[in-house]
Amino acid sequence: GAVVSQHPSWVICKSGTSVKIECRSLDFQATTMFWYRQFPKQSLMLMATSNEGSKATYEQGVEKDKFLINHASLTLSTLTVTSAHPEDSSFYICSGASGYNEQFFGPGTRLTVL
Amino acid sequence: TQLLEQSPQFLSIQEGENLTVYCNSSSVFSSLQWYRQEPGEGPVLLVTVVTGGEVKKLKRLTFQFGDARKDSSLHITAAQPGDTGLYLCAGERGATNKLIFGTGTLLAVQP
Repeated sequence: GAVVSQHPSWVICKSGTSVKIECRSLDFQATTMFWYRQFPKQSLMLMATSNEGSKATYEQGVEKDKFLINHASLTLSTLTVTSAHPEDSSFYICSGASGYNEQFFGPGTRLTVL
Repeated sequence: TQLLEQSPQFLSIQEGENLTVYCNSSSVFSSLQWYRQEPGEGPVLLVTVVTGGEVKKLKRLTFQFGDARKDSSLHITAAQPGDTGLYLCAGERGATNKLIFGTGTLLAVQP
């Protein structure tokens, strides 16, 4: 299957700072990338969908000014958590898809905001 | 609002036992997928079912899609400790490629 990587795998930051998470498709072109958030022992909740070269589409309840998504190329999407607070601490997972095909998931990024 | 409800939420069984996980919704899905996720990792796709009534087998795992494409089940025969993990169903509505994940079932298989 196709491979998606995320960087960093974990990050600890102070409250009020911004954190950028990268999602890369390593062996395919991801025309669409998805960002999910997962709290401990809970399911994945879709945050936003991004298509290469277009603005991201955010799910209801997700603040687009707080979670900035950029999908500048067919192999890279970034999620920036701006002015992070402890309640933003979570496991962030991205996935990439080529067209309307299977999504391939990254390994996730554990964010802890102190 | 969680559109896909899984049951049970938690399940702890002994090695060799059988189990069934259910994924239910009042909505119709064009396809439904099952994933397994281990701690600190992303979910890994197990199977995709598309046709109502479809049954797929993957070694000791049997997946079924409901006739009305609103529900699904995962049956594991002779569970092994390696089956331990979080099992997630996910439905796709229409041709959007967006997945709606179920509430999850945390399975622990004791040796």
